[in-house]
Amino acid sequence: QVQLQESGPGLIKPSQTLSLTCTVSGGSISNGAFYWSWIRQHPVKGLEWIGYIYYSGDTYYNPSLKSRVAISVDTSKNQFSLRLTSVTAADTAVYFCAYGSPYYFDFWGPGTLVTVSS
Amino acid sequence: EIVLTQSPATLSLSPGERATLSCRASQNIRNYLAWYQQKPGQAPRLLIYHTSNRATGIPARFSGGGSGRDFTLTISSLEPEDFAVYYCQQRSDWPSFTFGPGTRVDL
Repeated sequence: QVQLQESGPGLIKPSQTLSLTCTVSGGSISNGAFYWSWIRQHPVKGLEWIGYIYYSGDTYYNPSLKSRVAISVDTSKNQFSLRLTSVTAADTAVYFCAYGSPYYFDFWGPGTLVTVSS
Repeated sequence: EIVLTQSPATLSLSPGERATLSCRASQNIRNYLAWYQQKPGQAPRLLIYHTSNRATGIPARFSGGGSGRDFTLTISSLEPEDFAVYYCQQRSDWPSFTFGPGTRVDL
């Protein structure tokens, strides 16, 4: 089964840019079978879909975050990445990468906690 | 944005009992609904997709139903490992997805 692992800083300051990478193992990100997603879980607000990317580079974002989000893919490294600009304390959450169909999220990485604090 | 409401917030049951969880959408989402299970410290796991289809490896005691705005997840006989939080998720207004707030199934 395809496995996922998130990586990136666990603590960033307000107004900075959050950057996370998801490394895919056990399968190729280029096989065209899946869409590759970022989802976050706030302590209070719950689960929030951020966006996803297809191996071709086509991206789809949550309209509420679209102005601050960019998701990219590096097929040579079998990775995809998230950038979220101008973060505030409201962006503190556990960030998950996941893959699946265009409609559902079949499998998730273990998640990584990102705290926004000065 | 389509809002999902889950009830009850907490369901207190014992092993062997039947659990029925509800998810209601603010508008018709056809059958584009999934259910996930999350245990403490773990990522959510897909249980059911497109209302009633079990994901790979999911036991037959989990079943989903409903249509339109009202959906249910039923666990026919609770096993100790089923005590967790359950979320519903819709994709009807693609490419926007939303999740419900969750139902906790407690001992």
